[in-house]
Amino acid sequence: KAGVTQTPRYLIKTRGQQVTLSCSPISGHRSVSWYQQTPGQGLQFLFEYFSETQRNKGNFPGRFSGRQFSNSRSEMNVSTLELGDSALYLCASSLGRGGRTGELFFGEGSRLTVL
Amino acid sequence: QQQVKQSPQSLIVQKGGISIINCAYENTAFDYFPWYQQFPGKGPALLIAIRPDVSEKKEGRFTISFNKSAKQFSLHIMDSQPGDSATYFCATPQGGSEKLVFGKGTKLTVNP
Repeated sequence: KAGVTQTPRYLIKTRGQQVTLSCSPISGHRSVSWYQQTPGQGLQFLFEYFSETQRNKGNFPGRFSGRQFSNSRSEMNVSTLELGDSALYLCASSLGRGGRTGELFFGEGSRLTVL
Repeated sequence: QQQVKQSPQSLIVQKGGISIINCAYENTAFDYFPWYQQFPGKGPALLIAIRPDVSEKKEGRFTISFNKSAKQFSLHIMDSQPGDSATYFCATPQGGSEKLVFGKGTKLTVNP
C-alpha cells in the first residue's frame, strides 16, 4: 500500500511570493491534516480536512489555507510568504474516525525555504 | 489549547542502556496517548500508543507508562540501540478530532 506522498519535496521562494503544496493520502483515508515543523516551535497543527470540508483549524494567519478534493487529495497554500514561513510542512492522513484510531500517517514533508 | 510538556530536550545514552522520555499534559480526557518517532529526512511515524484505562503497554523494547493521577506518561526504551537514534514526540489528541498536540520533541542519541 502506497504511503502519503507530498510534492514538491524541496522548494525555495522569496518573500512576498505564494506557494502551493500537494498531498496524496493513503488510499481509503478520508482525513488529511497539515502540520508545520520548525526547530523552534516543533510540530504545529495547521488544519484538517475530511470529505472536502475543513474540520479543524490551528492558530495560523489567514495566509495559510488549504482544500481537499473529492479523491481526498489535499493542497495547502501560503500567500505573501514571510521569512518565518521557512519550515518543513508535513501532511498526515488517517481514516478520520475522530481520534479513536490512534494513528496519523505522515508523509516525508515539503521543505520550504523563504529567502 | 492543550499543552504538552516533554522532557528532556535531548538525551545521550550508551548502547544497551535505558532511555526515558517524559511528558506531562493538562487536565483533559483523551482516547489515547501516542509516541511518534522521527528520523532525519522522514516524517514522524507512530511508535506506540496507550489508552488511559491501562497503566503500561509494552511492545518489544518500547514501553509506555501512564500515570493518570500525575497527568504524565513516559516512554522507556530498553537495551537502546544506535538505530534508535531519532527524535521522539509525545502527543495528545484534541477532543474527538484528528488534531494532535505534540510535545517539543526529544532528540535521542545512542552511542555505540
